[in-house]
Amino acid sequence: QKEVEQDPGPLSVPEGAIVSLNCTYSNSAFQYFMWYRQYSRKGPELLMYTYSSGNKEDGRFTAQVDKSSKYISLFIRDSQPSDSATYLCAMTNSGGYQKVTFGIGTKLQVIP
Amino acid sequence: EAGVTQFPSHSVIEKGQTVTLRCDPISGHDNLYWYRRVMGKEIKFLLHFVKESKQDESGMPNNRFLAERTGGTYSTLKVQPAELEDSGVYFCASSPKLQATNEKLFFGSGTQLSVL
Repeated sequence: QKEVEQDPGPLSVPEGAIVSLNCTYSNSAFQYFMWYRQYSRKGPELLMYTYSSGNKEDGRFTAQVDKSSKYISLFIRDSQPSDSATYLCAMTNSGGYQKVTFGIGTKLQVIP
Repeated sequence: EAGVTQFPSHSVIEKGQTVTLRCDPISGHDNLYWYRRVMGKEIKFLLHFVKESKQDESGMPNNRFLAERTGGTYSTLKVQPAELEDSGVYFCASSPKLQATNEKLFFGSGTQLSVL
């Protein structure tokens, strides 16, 4: 069993839609949760970083963590064509040491 | 501010040859990491440098891989001899001094390695 499960998609939505991306994990030692965005032929770029269970909002992006269910989500409101990318969930058991475990990534396409 | 720079961006070699990948981290970043993505798989941790010292190399696949970080600045990852299964995208990332929480990793664009 993989430590982190993420549906690779692809996911195709119309512009303006609300996008929901999620991951489940099995390792209860994971304490820090991240979402990265990766454009084609580029490296991952950190979008959101959360520690505690609950919601964290940053503009059109909301990250949600449920440690009791080992489930994390990323919501994108009013999706734009520029949001088309691969979104990777990632997690680590130490915030100060980034040996990160990644999900496989979900490829998102926002259609104008 | 310049980001993490990796080169070459692409490398095509034959099985049994040697390849050296280079990473220039963001200036002043003590931490340097190598990750790899094999096609169809997740990005996986390879190793971590703090300045010039290897902090954790638990993700290195085998002894055909050798990573160095000269003077705590740039890093090289050598694969010798290369095998078909070494094909993938090799990412380098860097971050500032270790902090208790909320440490951000900055990734380079990666080196696409193809072993034929």
